[in-house]
Amino acid sequence: AQRVTQPEKLLSVFKGAPVELKCNYSYSGSPELFWYVQYSRQRLQLLLRHISRESIKGFTADLNKGETSFHLKKPFAQEEDSAMYYCALKGEYGNKLVFGAGTILRVKS
Amino acid sequence: NAGVMQNPRHLVRRRGQEARLRCSPMKGHSHVYWYRQLPEEGLKFMVYLQKENIIDESGMPKERFSAEFPKEGPSILRIQQVVRGDSAAYFCASSPPGQNTEAFFGQGTRLTVV
Repeated sequence: AQRVTQPEKLLSVFKGAPVELKCNYSYSGSPELFWYVQYSRQRLQLLLRHISRESIKGFTADLNKGETSFHLKKPFAQEEDSAMYYCALKGEYGNKLVFGAGTILRVKS
Repeated sequence: NAGVMQNPRHLVRRRGQEARLRCSPMKGHSHVYWYRQLPEEGLKFMVYLQKENIIDESGMPKERFSAEFPKEGPSILRIQQVVRGDSAAYFCASSPPGQNTEAFFGQGTRLTVV
């Protein structure tokens, strides 16, 4: 079965501190993983996908197949990073996604 | 391109009424996905449609829920005889054909059943 686990409902950090949002997955095939972000009152947006290996807004995520993890990291948090972050796994076909429960990131000044 | 448009943004229905949620995909997108977000939970896949076809409805409740994506017009998620447990945010996403394409999300419809 496909499953995505985000263990933290809320992560609160100070501005300038490092951030790590945890994501673990369960999938028998070759996974394709994503991070989506939802800023207040806005729609869900794709932040990054593991196959593109990009760094967006200073965020990176590395797929670790041994630990079945895809943690999202940023070395120095900014206040504008405050949002809800969802980790997602792509299903068997099309763009069907399996989402984690989401983590609220609060960056305090 | 206006993005994925969902309407209404907020919908209040009494128990037993019908709810119709609409999703207009982005121009050129022929694939539509519906997700439901219950309070305190992540988004759960409901149904995947292409024009005039249901491809995967494995996440749809067996009764009262239906979805369509006609040749012309928006995709519709229909919930008959709503109950309080149907209260949730319903999100639609669309993507163009192809495997390695990005799905774009609408702003969602928040359904409240009173």
